[in-house]
Amino acid sequence: SAVISQKPSRDICQRGTSLTIQCQVDSQVTMMFWYRQQPGQSLTLIATANQGSEATYESGFVIDKFPISRPNLTFSTLTVSNMSPEDSSIYLCSVGLNSYEQYFGPGTRLTVT
Amino acid sequence: GQQVMQIPQYQHVQEGEDFTTYCNSSTTLSNIQWYKQRPGGHPVFLIQLVKSGEVKKQKRLTFQFGEAKKNSSLHITATQTTDVGTYFCAGDYNNAGNMLTFGGGTRLMVKP
Repeated sequence: SAVISQKPSRDICQRGTSLTIQCQVDSQVTMMFWYRQQPGQSLTLIATANQGSEATYESGFVIDKFPISRPNLTFSTLTVSNMSPEDSSIYLCSVGLNSYEQYFGPGTRLTVT
Repeated sequence: GQQVMQIPQYQHVQEGEDFTTYCNSSTTLSNIQWYKQRPGGHPVFLIQLVKSGEVKKQKRLTFQFGEAKKNSSLHITATQTTDVGTYFCAGDYNNAGNMLTFGGGTRLMVKP
């Protein structure tokens, strides 16, 4: 298993600003993922972040809006840029272990006013 | 695109009753995973099913993968209040372990 922490756990931000979310894992992992989950909804994959390569974004998500860094095998950041109220959501990072199961962080609850 | 449909969206049961949630994919899956998310929590991996027709059990939970590898179900026998949460299936189409398509989830509420 893996222990994953995220910072911040929650934040309230003004529209037009940016927020960087950090994800820290207690062991080295190849695959890290960023998801968005709106309250009461399912999870939507934003991007896959593998160390040493550019993040791979899913349809509907672009690097300018959600830049991702993956400087090493235990850490990643997701930035939500130029925020609008529609970006209010829970953002979760996860890591892939054993080639299939994913372990999720506790999430970052973002409210944009 | 690939979609995983999950029903029902919500289910209220009396404690002790059984519960089942179903997932269906429009195309064949490489494997399917199930996750549980408690209220206010994050998704927690429960199990992965890989083989056609596979059935796996975890105590009161029974997971099935259809013969065509397009559908799956999770059945809970004699629900308890600790079973409360949202159950998600997640389909893996390319066996790469990194492209999960989550179903909409079934929120289970258990009345004591």
